[in-house]
Amino acid sequence: NAGVTQTPKFRVLKTGQSMTLLCAQDMNHEYMYWYRQDPGMGLRLIHYSVGEGTTAKGEVPDGYNVSRLKKQNFLLGLESAAPSQTSVYFCASSGSLAYGEQFFGPGTRLTVL
Amino acid sequence: AQSVTQPDIHITVSEGASLELRCNYSYGATPYLFWYVQSPGQGLQLLLKYFSGDTLVQGIKGFEAEFKRSQSSFNLRKPSVHWSDAAEYFCAVGAITSGTYKYIFGTGTRLKVLA
Repeated sequence: NAGVTQTPKFRVLKTGQSMTLLCAQDMNHEYMYWYRQDPGMGLRLIHYSVGEGTTAKGEVPDGYNVSRLKKQNFLLGLESAAPSQTSVYFCASSGSLAYGEQFFGPGTRLTVL
Repeated sequence: AQSVTQPDIHITVSEGASLELRCNYSYGATPYLFWYVQSPGQGLQLLLKYFSGDTLVQGIKGFEAEFKRSQSSFNLRKPSVHWSDAAEYFCAVGAITSGTYKYIFGTGTRLKVLA
């Protein structure tokens, strides 16, 4: 099993450009999450999904959109990238919501110039 | 509001020494508590978790943590640190309150191990 995979691993954008980050999991998990990690701030939840076709806002949702068209995939979109979105993005999945272990992908390092 | 505090940003210990990483949480009820480890350039990996029952929980890689309700703490410990334990450690709290889901990470403690 690959676990949780993320595409791409690195990306550089110019301000105003758009992009989509792809997360895939092969553990048949219902719940999936997108986080951003910034120095000194830990991980902050951007959006999450409790099942196929559902999404919900997390702590820092502004500037991001998500979609969960298939159970195994969770997409994070930036419609108009800003330098403040320079970060490392992690996707995770779990079999339970609040009390489940979250399985993390390797991360995507995004730089917005 | 729920919160997780890891008061130590950096900790340095010698190999073979004992380790304790602190975590304090703020939550109205007993939350679900977790410790994760992140090696450089990697995602997070679960070390251990506490839901209920025995307040001393054992995890992988020789780590343990103790839940102390009176102190709102969930400190991570290891009796003898190995050089491979150098990493960043995150405490996390999971809760569902009034139908709202929260999974909050602390800001992390970076562990350095001296040979």
